[in-house]
Amino acid sequence: QKEVEQNSGPLSVPEGAIASLNCTYSDRGSQSFFWYRQYSGKSPELIMFIYSNGDKEDGRFTAQLNKASQYVSLLIRDSQPSDSATYLCAVNSNAGKSTFGDGTTLTVKP
Amino acid sequence: SQTIHQWPATLVQPVGSPLSLECTVEGTSNPNLYWYRQAAGRGLQLLFYSVGIGQISSEVPQNLSASRPQDRQFILSSKKLLLSDSGFYLCAWSDRGRRAFFGQGTRLTVV
Repeated sequence: QKEVEQNSGPLSVPEGAIASLNCTYSDRGSQSFFWYRQYSGKSPELIMFIYSNGDKEDGRFTAQLNKASQYVSLLIRDSQPSDSATYLCAVNSNAGKSTFGDGTTLTVKP
Repeated sequence: SQTIHQWPATLVQPVGSPLSLECTVEGTSNPNLYWYRQAAGRGLQLLFYSVGIGQISSEVPQNLSASRPQDRQFILSSKKLLLSDSGFYLCAWSDRGRRAFFGQGTRLTVV
């Protein structure tokens, strides 16, 4: 079992729709959770982080964390073509080591 | 503000040649430093991480090594490159193990 699992996609949504990206992790001791966006050929950039159970909203992005279910998700409201990218889920252990999922490729169609 | 520099952006090297990729961080002290490799269409594979000068943890045994000669300098090396070493190499720093910030990446092609 992979430490961090994501659906590889591709996930395709129409412009203006909600995109839902999911991630599960195996280490119950994980402390912090991150979503990175990576455009093709570029390095990842952090878009959201969440440390506590529940929802965290930042503009069109909402991160959701459920530690009991070992599940973290990212919702993108009012999806735009510029949101088309690969989204990487990352989970940090107590030691600060980040483990990344393989990413979900999102395509937003105009 | 903090910045991270990684170079070169692209590199083409013959099989058997040595490799040295350098990464430096500005604007922070004692960062955690990381080297990742990304194969095409895949996630990030952690190669090495360092919590301080001279402290290197290796995640995947392979043809590579890392060194941290100064607090904000992290170097990835190989004595003899293999074809399988091709990939997108990313250096990153984090604020005490939390958010990671990436350099621009080096696309290495071994021919």
